[in-house]
Amino acid sequence: EVQLVESGGGLVQPGGSLRLSCAASKFTFSSYAMSWVRQAPGKGLEWVSIISGSGGVTYYADSVKGRFTISRDNSKNTLSLQMNSLRAEDTAVYYCAKDARWEVLVGYSDCWGRGTLVTVSS
Amino acid sequence: EIVMTQSPATLSVSPGEGATLSCRASQSVSNNLAWYQQKPGQAPRLLIYGASSRATGSPARFSGSGFGTEFTLTISSLQSEDFAVYYCQQYNNWPYTFGQGTKLEIK
Repeated sequence: EVQLVESGGGLVQPGGSLRLSCAASKFTFSSYAMSWVRQAPGKGLEWVSIISGSGGVTYYADSVKGRFTISRDNSKNTLSLQMNSLRAEDTAVYYCAKDARWEVLVGYSDCWGRGTLVTVSS
Repeated sequence: EIVMTQSPATLSVSPGEGATLSCRASQSVSNNLAWYQQKPGQAPRLLIYGASSRATGSPARFSGSGFGTEFTLTISSLQSEDFAVYYCQQYNNWPYTFGQGTKLEIK
C-alpha cells in the first residue's frame, strides 16, 4: 500500500523558515508528480505546489511564489517544501499528495499523507 | 484563476436517502474535475476524477456527472460513513483550485 509520511511541521515565528519533508514508499516515486496541499484550521483546501516526476517542472500558487520551493530527491524517495518568509496566513496542515497517473502530470491526487501542522505565530 | 463554487454549503440528509452536490466553475474546465471526501482529522480521499470516473476503492453509490462549468456528485442511499465534507477540484489549469466544500450531515 502506498505510504506518504510528512514531517517537519511546528511552531515558527513570522518571517522564519521551515522545511517540510515527505517520505514516500511502496510505489515508483520517480514516475509520479507530487504535490503539497494545505488546509488552514477550519478552512478549505489550497493547492500550494506541484513538481513533475523528474523535478523539471514546478508550479506554485501565487500566495507562496517566491517564498516556497518544492523539490524532490528521487534517490531517497523524498519530497520537500522549503518555506521562507513565513506569515501568519501560512498556518495550516500541509499534506503531501501523489499524482494519480504514472509518468504524466495530471493534477489530481489519489493518495495523501496524514499531514503536518505548521503554525506561524509570535 | 478558476473559481469553483459548491452548493449547498451544508446538506442535511437521512441515512438511506440520496444526496446531490453541485459544483460550478467560473470558466470551462472540460471534464478535468475531481471530487474528494474528507472526514474530520483525516486527509482528503479521491472519489471521482475526469468528472465521472470512480477512483479505485470508491463505492458504486458515488457517481459524478457534468462537463464544462456544471458538475454534480450524486450519492445514492447514504451510509453512515458518507457523512463528511466533499470538495470539488479543477485540474484543467494551474493553479488547481478547490471549491469551498459541502458538508453532508445527518438529518
